[in-house]
Amino acid sequence: ETGVTQTPRHLVMGMTNKKSLKCEQHLGHNAMYWYKQSAKKPLELMFVYNFKEQTENNSVPSRFSPECPNSSHLFLHLHTLQPEDSALYLCASSHYTTGLATDTQYFGPGTRLTVL
Amino acid sequence: AQTVTQSQPEMSVQEAETVTLSCTYDTSESDYYLFWYKQPPSRQMILVIRQEAYKQQNATENRFSVNFQKAAKSFSLKISDSQLGDAAMYFCAYRTTQGGSEKLVFGKGTKLTVNP
Repeated sequence: ETGVTQTPRHLVMGMTNKKSLKCEQHLGHNAMYWYKQSAKKPLELMFVYNFKEQTENNSVPSRFSPECPNSSHLFLHLHTLQPEDSALYLCASSHYTTGLATDTQYFGPGTRLTVL
Repeated sequence: AQTVTQSQPEMSVQEAETVTLSCTYDTSESDYYLFWYKQPPSRQMILVIRQEAYKQQNATENRFSVNFQKAAKSFSLKISDSQLGDAAMYFCAYRTTQGGSEKLVFGKGTKLTVNP
């Protein structure tokens, strides 16, 4: 596969469930991102990883827990979510050069999450 | 903090006609990047065009071009010879060039409908 892939594409979970979203990039990038896209709102950056290290946590509640085991994979672990967390979760990747912010971000297709 | 405003929630255009989507932003920085992303109904976010603020020349990609007015902090997207496949949500985004920050700030988007 090429580009940025995300699984699952759709997920329905209860508030007491624990689930994980997976993102994989095949572009040789070293930076990965999680975004939340809710209806009628701009995309919200959640987390940024550069070289597997988390460099940004945009005041995201602790019920969302990211994991980046290597520069190609990114996970978002979910537990005790709320109905208002229902949204499209987008993963993106880019090539990051230390000290510069120069490269374009490439997005995956997203996971449509519904919390009941 | 930087903000991005897209004042047109929805736009429509006839096939083969030209349409312009508007975007304004607010920043105190002198150097930055601006992007237009397209999100078709399948949800994969795709880069349409990007502009470096230090470049006076407007970026062009085939039928897509921008009108970048730095002093006015305006970054509009012109789509020429519109095609049915251009129907999508279009997002304007801003990114700083300051080292250590990969944060993209998005507008709320403009839904473009192309009428046959």
